[in-house]
Amino acid sequence: GQQLNQSPQSMFIQEGEDVSMNCTSSSIFNTWLWYKQDPGEGPVLLIALYKAGELTSNGRLTAQFGITRKDSFLNISASIPSDVGIYFCAGLRGQNFVFGPGTRLSVLP
Amino acid sequence: EAQVTQNPRYLITVTGKKLTVTCSQNMNHEYMSWYRQDPGLGLRQIYYSMNVEVTDKGDVPEGYKVSRKEKRNFPLILESPSPNQTSLYFCATREGPDTQYFGPGTRLTVL
Repeated sequence: GQQLNQSPQSMFIQEGEDVSMNCTSSSIFNTWLWYKQDPGEGPVLLIALYKAGELTSNGRLTAQFGITRKDSFLNISASIPSDVGIYFCAGLRGQNFVFGPGTRLSVLP
Repeated sequence: EAQVTQNPRYLITVTGKKLTVTCSQNMNHEYMSWYRQDPGLGLRQIYYSMNVEVTDKGDVPEGYKVSRKEKRNFPLILESPSPNQTSLYFCATREGPDTQYFGPGTRLTVL
């Protein structure tokens, strides 16, 4: 099936630091989505991107839809302890959502 | 309050014993889907439903069945569970082109 790759797989950062993670695909997607999953819960949508080159912000989060439509980036500025969790990218093609394996973020006080 | 509910939340069973995981939503969404989440693989779509009586396979449908007899419910059926179906399962509904609402998850262990 279609595969998305995310990097890094996991990261440990100090509170207050900025975070960058990315998602790549071997095929094109027309919509890119970023989700966050807290421990013991289902994923929650953070940002949706609809157009190549689009840059969208949601509070301290900023995401970009890559020009080639095969990648996307998520940045978190000034991290706080509640940013801990797993961040998933997802591509939407037709009615199918394809998820990446996730980036696990740990924030050290 | 908008909700997607799943039952049970935790289940330990044995190989071959049929089981059903229920999913119910109160948002009147037409689109519902099931995912399984495994370490290092993210979420993989099992089945989805665009509306009542309309279901389609996702990426990993083998060993699973679904039904959509009414809009609010979308049960996941494992006729003969096997250990490789041990996983964390999420039901989700969709509003508009991209916004999915996920349930709290069902952790299934098949011995």
